[in-house]
Amino acid sequence: DAGVTQSPTHLIKTRGQHVTLRCSPISGHKSVSWYQQVLGQGPQFIFQYYEKEERGRGNFPDRFSARQFPNYSSELNVNALLLGDSALYLCASSLARLAGLSTDTQYFGPGTRLTVL
Amino acid sequence: GIQVEQSPPDLILQEGANSTLRCNFSDSVNNLQWFHQNPWGQLINLFYIPSGTKQNGRLSATTVATERYSLLYISSSQTTDSGVYFCAGLIKAAGNKLTFGGGTRVLVKP
Repeated sequence: DAGVTQSPTHLIKTRGQHVTLRCSPISGHKSVSWYQQVLGQGPQFIFQYYEKEERGRGNFPDRFSARQFPNYSSELNVNALLLGDSALYLCASSLARLAGLSTDTQYFGPGTRLTVL
Repeated sequence: GIQVEQSPPDLILQEGANSTLRCNFSDSVNNLQWFHQNPWGQLINLFYIPSGTKQNGRLSATTVATERYSLLYISSSQTTDSGVYFCAGLIKAAGNKLTFGGGTRVLVKP
């Protein structure tokens, strides 16, 4: 079975532009989460979606938004890009509604490496 | 603030050596997981270990939830074990968002 897939793998943008990142979860997984990983740090939680509804949001500005589609795939959108948005963006899928259920495990995709010039 | 602290931050091992990585949480934690991130950025699940001990080949992990820490053991290390090891957990005070530590960067030399 395919794991979590993300596209594109790499992306170069300039300040002020907009970007859309895409994620397809593992088949049967209904929950998708997005993380930002800046070089040298651990991933930071951005959003969680379950059944097309936002279930959690991290401490990120409103320039960051996301949505989940009926097939459970997801998009992360970032507007008005800043240099500091340069990072590896990771998507993870899981079975559970909330990542607090005892059987939940997060499975990560390979990430999209975004560079903002 | 909510903290997940990993130690040591960096670790250099000779191939064949054993090592212990530690993860401390500042508050009660659920859904504790260990990950290995390879040089290309892929995060691989190692263990889901909210409590107790689990073993998978040369790796094992122990979580003592009441004392808010977890340990990852690497035995007979190989060069392919190189990378960054992260622990992560759901911290109630953080609104049940999966919170990662800063990682332990491991380099295994042949």
